[in-house]
Amino acid sequence: QKEVEQNSGPLSVPEGAIASLNCTYSDRGSQSFFWYRQYSGKSPELIMFIYSNGDKEDGRFTAQLNKASQYVSLLIRDSQPSDSATYLCAGSGEYGNKLVFGAGTILRVKS
Amino acid sequence: NAGVTQTPKFRILKIGQSMTLQCTQDMNHNYMYWYRQDPGMGLKLIYYSVGAGITDKGEVPNGYNVSRSTTEDFPLRLELAAPSQTSVYFCASSYPGLKNTEAFFGQGTRLTVV
Repeated sequence: QKEVEQNSGPLSVPEGAIASLNCTYSDRGSQSFFWYRQYSGKSPELIMFIYSNGDKEDGRFTAQLNKASQYVSLLIRDSQPSDSATYLCAGSGEYGNKLVFGAGTILRVKS
Repeated sequence: NAGVTQTPKFRILKIGQSMTLQCTQDMNHNYMYWYRQDPGMGLKLIYYSVGAGITDKGEVPNGYNVSRSTTEDFPLRLELAAPSQTSVYFCASSYPGLKNTEAFFGQGTRLTVV
């Protein structure tokens, strides 16, 4: 079982809609979770991190964490074509050391 | 502020050749990582280090070696290059911590083995 799993997509949403990206993890010791965005040919860039159960909002982005279900999600409201990218979910190890990534979900926002 | 710097950006190797991918960071981060990313795929952890003198294997360590003699540098060595090692390699670094351990990435090295 992979440590961090994501649906590879592609996930297609119309402009202005809500995009919902999901991630599950197997290591119950994982402390923090990160969502990175990666444009084609570029390095990943951090969008949000979350380490407490519940929701965390930052502008159009909301991260959700449910440690009991070992589930992390990212909601993007009012999706824009510029949001089209691969979104990578990552979890840190029990001691905050090893950062493990999922395979990523391709998001396509159609105008 | 340079952040994480990787060299070279591109390289073509012949099967059986060896090379070292260089990575250096100027943020005084304890943690450093090497990932590979195959086309259309996510990042796979090759090796990581939690401080100078300490390294550990990740998900796909075979065919690679690392060393960490200083806090700043974390080179990745490929011995006997194989076509399966054709990939984009990313180096990253982060502060230690249980919560906000954001990783900062280098620009990547695109390696082709022919």
